Amino acid sequence: GENVEQHPSTLSVQEGDSAVIKCTYSDSASNYFPWYKQELGKRPQLIIDIRSNVGEKKDQRIAVTLNKTAKHFSLHITETQPEDSAVYFCAASAGTASKLTFGTGTRLQVTL
Amino acid sequence: ETGVTQTPRHLVMGMTNKKSLKCEQHLGHNAMYWYKQSAKKPLELMFVYNFKEQTENNSVPSRFSPECPNSSHLFLHLHTLQPEDSALYLCASSPKLAGGTSSYNEQFFGPGTRLTVL
Repeated sequence: GENVEQHPSTLSVQEGDSAVIKCTYSDSASNYFPWYKQELGKRPQLIIDIRSNVGEKKDQRIAVTLNKTAKHFSLHITETQPEDSAVYFCAASAGTASKLTFGTGTRLQVTL
Repeated sequence: ETGVTQTPRHLVMGMTNKKSLKCEQHLGHNAMYWYKQSAKKPLELMFVYNFKEQTENNSVPSRFSPECPNSSHLFLHLHTLQPEDSALYLCASSPKLAGGTSSYNEQFFGPGTRLTVL
C-alpha cells in the first residue's frame, strides 16, 4: 500500500520567514496530494491540494510543488505569520483508491 | 462550520463499557470516514463508507464496530476497549470517494471525539 513520509516533524521559523515541509510517497499511481492544517484543539482543514497533471499550485502565501518522477511534493509558506502556527499534514491518494494516506505531520511554530 | 458534527466531544469509559460515537454531515456527501488520531502518529484511516456501503476496513479490531444507516450518519460502536485505544476519533465526509481527477476529493472533518479509556 501507499506510504507517505513527512519531514521535518517540527519546524520553528521567525515571523516573515519562509517555511518548507516535504513529503515523499511510494505508490506511483497516486495522483492527488492534499495538505491539511490542524490548529491546536481543532479539526484538520484542507488548505491546498495538487493533482498529478500539474507541477505547482499557488494560493496567496502558500504553494505546493510536485515532482512525480522523484515522488515527492512540498508545501511552501512565505511571509509566515503567528496564525500559521499549527500541525500540517500531507496526504496522497491513488487513482481509484478510496483512501487518503497521511504523513506524520509537521508542527510549525512561527515566533515573533 | 464545516457541516460535519460529532458527538460526544469528550468521552471517558472503562474497558468493560459499551458506548457509541456519532457523526452527522449536512453537506450532501456520499462518502464518510472514521479516522483515529493518536499523539505523534499519522491520521489512521479506520473505515470508509460510500453510499452507506462499507468499502474499506483498515484491519481494525472487532471491538470497533461501524454503522452507516444512511449517507448522512455514521456511528462507531465501542466495546471492551483497551487503554491504548485512547485517542481523538475524527469523522470526515467527501462528495465521493477520493481519487481520480474529479474535483470532489476534499474531505471535510468533524471536530472529533476525544476518547479516554481507563
